[in-house]
Amino acid sequence: QKEVEQNSGPLSVPEGAIASLNCTYSDRVSQSFFWYRQYSGKSPELIMSIYSNGDKEDGRFTAQLNKASQYVSLLIRDSQPSDSATYLCAVNRMDSSYKLIFGSGTRLLVRP
Amino acid sequence: DADVTQTPRNRITKTGKRIMLECSQTKGHDRMYWYRQDPGLGLQLIYYSFDVKDINKGEISDGYSVSRQAQAKFSLSLESAIPNQTALYFCATSVGDNYGYTFGSGTRLTVV
Repeated sequence: QKEVEQNSGPLSVPEGAIASLNCTYSDRVSQSFFWYRQYSGKSPELIMSIYSNGDKEDGRFTAQLNKASQYVSLLIRDSQPSDSATYLCAVNRMDSSYKLIFGSGTRLLVRP
Repeated sequence: DADVTQTPRNRITKTGKRIMLECSQTKGHDRMYWYRQDPGLGLQLIYYSFDVKDINKGEISDGYSVSRQAQAKFSLSLESAIPNQTALYFCATSVGDNYGYTFGSGTRLTVV
């Protein structure tokens, strides 16, 4: 089992719809959760962080965390073609030192 | 200027050659990381450093070495490049635990 799992997609949604991206993780003691957006050939860009159970909203983005289910999600409201990218979920691993483990990403395609 | 600068942006090298990828940052972060990204595999940690005197191996350090020349500079070397080291390489920085990473723009390395 991978430490951080994401469906590779592509997830295709029409413009204006809500895109829902999901991520599960295996380490129960993880404390920090991040969503990155990566355009093709570009570097990952941090868009959301979440540390507590529940929802966190920032503009059109909402991150949701459920530690009991080891599940974190990202909702994108009013999806735009410019949101088309790969979204990476990252979770901290708490072994000898703090580091982030990344999922392989979900590719989102927003259709005009 | 970018906060995290990687050089070169693109490099083609031959099998068996030694190559160095460089990373410098102006963010003042102590923590620096090297990741490689392969299609469908996400980001894999090669090496990381929490200060100038602290160097740690990541998941896939075989065939790589690093040097932390200063707080702001962290270099990755491939001692004898092989074709399966063809990948996109990213340097990242972080201010500490529970913070996300800031990525450089990446180096696309091709080993022929």
